[in-house]
Amino acid sequence: EAGVAQSPRYKIIEKRQSVAFWCNPISGHATLYWYQQILGQGPKLLIQFQNNGVVDDSQLPKDRFSAERLKGVDSTLKIQPAKLEDSAVYLCASTFQGGNTIYFGEGSWLTVV
Amino acid sequence: QKEVEQNSGPLSVPEGAIASLNCTYSDRGSQSFFWYRQYSGKSPELIMSIYSNGDKEDGRFTAQLNKASQYVSLLIRDSQPSDSATYLCAVNESGGSYIPTFGRGTSLIVHP
Repeated sequence: EAGVAQSPRYKIIEKRQSVAFWCNPISGHATLYWYQQILGQGPKLLIQFQNNGVVDDSQLPKDRFSAERLKGVDSTLKIQPAKLEDSAVYLCASTFQGGNTIYFGEGSWLTVV
Repeated sequence: QKEVEQNSGPLSVPEGAIASLNCTYSDRGSQSFFWYRQYSGKSPELIMSIYSNGDKEDGRFTAQLNKASQYVSLLIRDSQPSDSATYLCAVNESGGSYIPTFGRGTSLIVHP
């Protein structure tokens, strides 16, 4: 069974530039999460989707971050404009509806300089 | 604001010893509790879940939960160098969607 796929794996951008990360969850998983993990900290939820609807985006900095999951499968997370403090690993995760075992992707490492 | 607290460590133990990792949480409504292991540069992977007070054993791992004290722990028996990683505690409140809140993790070093 294929795992959660993410791309790109690594990205270096200058502050005020934009970046987009893509995620394809495990087949059949209705629930998709985007987490931000800053070095030395635990993952922080940015947004949770159930199919193509948003369940929780209370911690998403909406002035600069956006996410979509238009067809209820893959998802894109965008940052525009990026700040230095956005340097982190962006983890996509998924689970089946009603499930409580989250499967994480390998992450997209962002460095903002 | 739900909080999950862990000592960042590092916790250093010799090979073969018992490693004890601790976690406290602020939300009394929390009903499910998880331990994830994260190797350096890798993504977290689930190793244990526990839902009721008491102990739950899985191989060398034992999770312990005390809801009255809002405390959950993970014991690793016969620690191996391959257990060296960061251990993340995650807590989910009851009902609704599964949205775990993670602690910052405890770094464990098992030295030969």
